[in-house]
Amino acid sequence: AQSVSQHNHHVILSEAASLELGCNYSYGGTVNLFWYVQYPGQHLQLLLKYFSGDPLVKGIKGFEAEFIKSKFSFNLRKPSVQWSDTAEYFCAVNAPSGAGSYQLTFGKGTKLSVIP
Amino acid sequence: EAGVVQSPRYKIIEKKQPVAFWCNPISGHNTLYWYLQNLGQGPELLIRYENEEAVDDSQLPKDRFSAERLKGVDSTLKIQPAELGDSAVYLCASSQGGYKNIQYFGAGTRLSVL
Repeated sequence: AQSVSQHNHHVILSEAASLELGCNYSYGGTVNLFWYVQYPGQHLQLLLKYFSGDPLVKGIKGFEAEFIKSKFSFNLRKPSVQWSDTAEYFCAVNAPSGAGSYQLTFGKGTKLSVIP
Repeated sequence: EAGVVQSPRYKIIEKKQPVAFWCNPISGHNTLYWYLQNLGQGPELLIRYENEEAVDDSQLPKDRFSAERLKGVDSTLKIQPAELGDSAVYLCASSQGGYKNIQYFGAGTRLSVL
């Protein structure tokens, strides 16, 4: 079965610090990759996605992620975080699950706390 | 454009009681998903619908969970009877379907079983 690993459970940063959240997945074939964000009290929202093409993708609010196929990784980055980035971040991978269907598998999430 | 709407937002019940959750997907989205999210975990798929048809329900505990999507729009997820371990957030998502699709999530229903 497909698995997604997020390396950090809780990250605490000061404002203006740089952010990198790790994500690795297990499926060896073609995948679609996503980062979702959940702000406190809100629903899951799409931050960015990778389907094909340029492995460096840019999302909303200054976030970007790099797909490295050889490392099965899709790490999320932001050069300078703000207090408003405090949220939980989920990496997700859409991959074949058998019988012609696909399934979106999520990591366990990384909680980011930004200190003003 | 309205997003995915779920109700209720919160539900507290005693064990062995039945409970139902309702979801209204984004207009035009023919694919609907129900996910379970336990504390400290990412969402896990319970069931996926393509229009009215449940095309992937392999992870739905069928002894106590059931779902329906009559007319291919709204959907209901039911638990009967509820157990203490069912306390979690139940998320609904919808998409236009296909491999390169984006799932949009509702706010979820937080269930507490006492």
